[in-house]
Amino acid sequence: NAGVTQTPKFRILKIGQSMTLQCTQDMNHNYMYWYRQDPGMGLKLIYYSVGAGITDKGEVPNGYNVSRSTTEDFPLRLELAAPSQTSVYFCASSPDRVSGNTIYFGEGSWLTVV
Amino acid sequence: AQSVTQLDSQVPVFEEAPVELRCNYSSSVSVYLFWYVQYPNQGLQLLLKYLSGSTLVESINGFEAEFNKSQTSFHLRKPSVHISDTAEYFCAVVNTGFQKLVFGTGTRLLVSP
Repeated sequence: NAGVTQTPKFRILKIGQSMTLQCTQDMNHNYMYWYRQDPGMGLKLIYYSVGAGITDKGEVPNGYNVSRSTTEDFPLRLELAAPSQTSVYFCASSPDRVSGNTIYFGEGSWLTVV
Repeated sequence: AQSVTQLDSQVPVFEEAPVELRCNYSSSVSVYLFWYVQYPNQGLQLLLKYLSGSTLVESINGFEAEFNKSQTSFHLRKPSVHISDTAEYFCAVVNTGFQKLVFGTGTRLLVSP
């Protein structure tokens, strides 16, 4: 059981470049999330989705876009990379509302913008 | 909206000593509470969670946390730590009617011999 899979694990981008962080889950979860983690700041929610075709902004959505065309996939797009987007990105999923069910995290994607 | 405060950014302890990692939350409605652990260069793993029932919850590796509604706290404790417990620990909260998990800033536990 793969769980939540993120690719790539490491990436260096130049300012102004674009890229997509891929996230896929094989647990048939409805809810998916993208977080970024910065030192001393904890995890901040970028975007989330409650099902295919439905996405919504989190705390720090600026500079990012997402789509959810299937239940399994939730890619995160950076259109014009900026140094402020240097961070560790985590994708996560949960069966439904984070209540009696656990939220599962991917292993993270380390992104550096230079 | 709910929020989480972890006052200690780093907690150094010696092996076999007890430890407490503090977590306080703020919310006007009922919440669920979680502790996650992150080992170096890895993702987050659920350590334990409080949903309802007994206010004392335990993990399989000796950690425990107690939900204290009056003090709005969910402190994590372990009576005797091991070197392998060195990691970053995140407290998180979610409103029972909501779907977004809010994290604290994390506490780095450093266990030395």
